[in-house]
Amino acid sequence: DVKVTQSSRYLVKRTGEKVFLECVQDMDHENMFWYRQDPGLGLRLIYFSYDVKMKEKGDIPEGYSVSREKKERFSLILESASTNQTSMYLCASQRNEKLFFGSGTQLSVL
Amino acid sequence: QKEVEQNSGPLSVPEGAIASLNCTYSDRGSQSFFWYRQYSGKSPELIMFIYSNGDKEDGRFTAQLNKASQYVSLLIRDSQPSDSATYLCAVNGDNFNKFYFGSGTKLNVKP
Repeated sequence: DVKVTQSSRYLVKRTGEKVFLECVQDMDHENMFWYRQDPGLGLRLIYFSYDVKMKEKGDIPEGYSVSREKKERFSLILESASTNQTSMYLCASQRNEKLFFGSGTQLSVL
Repeated sequence: QKEVEQNSGPLSVPEGAIASLNCTYSDRGSQSFFWYRQYSGKSPELIMFIYSNGDKEDGRFTAQLNKASQYVSLLIRDSQPSDSATYLCAVNGDNFNKFYFGSGTKLNVKP
């Protein structure tokens, strides 16, 4: 079975802090994604990566950056956390047409 | 912004009934269509995908696609309480790597 692991299930951070969300997949998938999920808004794509060091902006990249130094690891960075970034963050990797999601990180920015 | 629209629900059906979940999409160039199930507090998991007009059946689940009407649906036959979840519709277009999700329909199956 494909395993996508997100480092934290819950995080509480202060406004202005730099936040790192980590995601690791164990299936050598090339494509990885970061989504945020908010009630009533569904999943919105923040960034995706199609190879090591390669990335593309999604629909809501503002306030975020990403890093992919190794194929199995895709990190989401909030340079200066703000309260409107309080959300559920979901990482996914892709095999063919199927997305495999991690268990999510509920981030609260106070 | 490509749009994927779903009725948020909740949709309540009695156990054993057919649940019908609907989704419309705005981009006529969309090529592939997906249904994900998300239990409360869990991450989404893929249950069906469909590429061609018509019906695709997998066990109790049937996905239906009508590209002319830009409409995709999911039928769940013999609904069970364990089917109670939020169902997310997703599409992707000419860029195979981009998936657009609806906000989901919450389904309650009452015993």
